[in-house]
Amino acid sequence: NAGVTQTPEFQVLKTGQSMTLQCAQDMNHEYMSWYRQDPGMGLRLIHYSVGAGITDQGEVPNGYNVSRSTTEDFPLRLLSAAPSQTSVYFCASSRATGSNQPQHFGDGTRLSIL
Amino acid sequence: AQTVTQSQPEMSVQEAETVTLSCTYDTSENNYYLFWYKQPPSRQMILVIRQEAYKQQNATENRFSVNFQKAAKSFSLKISDSQLGDTAMYFCAFMGGGSQGNLIFGKGTKLSVKP
Repeated sequence: NAGVTQTPEFQVLKTGQSMTLQCAQDMNHEYMSWYRQDPGMGLRLIHYSVGAGITDQGEVPNGYNVSRSTTEDFPLRLLSAAPSQTSVYFCASSRATGSNQPQHFGDGTRLSIL
Repeated sequence: AQTVTQSQPEMSVQEAETVTLSCTYDTSENNYYLFWYKQPPSRQMILVIRQEAYKQQNATENRFSVNFQKAAKSFSLKISDSQLGDTAMYFCAFMGGGSQGNLIFGKGTKLSVKP
């Protein structure tokens, strides 16, 4: 049972390039989300999804797109990377929406924008 | 909007001693959940302990316990018999009852356990 898998582990991009961070879970979880972690800032919510075909914005959505075509996958797209998007990105999932379900986190993707 | 504040950016403790990490939060909700997550140098986010706001009894998990003061909106983490493996960043997090699962994190406390 792999849990939440994020790829790649590390990535370096040039300003203006696009890329997709992958997130997949094999636990049949309804809820999935993306956070970014910056030094001294804790984790902040970018986008989340409560099921296939349903997504919504979090605290810091600008510059990012998401889609949820399957229960398992929740990719995060940077359309035109900016240095301000240099961060560590975490994907998380939980069994169902609602507050009593523990979140499972992936191991993170470290992204550097030059 | 809800906020979570961790006022101790860094702390240190001697091995085998007890340490308490502070967390305060602000919310107008009555039903919510609070969490402490541990992030070791490996970068993984590991759930340490969880508290439901409607429960008066403080949660405990082995050497980890919380002091939940609902009226004061305080949620501190006590680590007993500290071990070298407890060295990590610790994040306090809030989840509202109607939030669908979204977490609001504090900025974290870096804990160093010294031999």
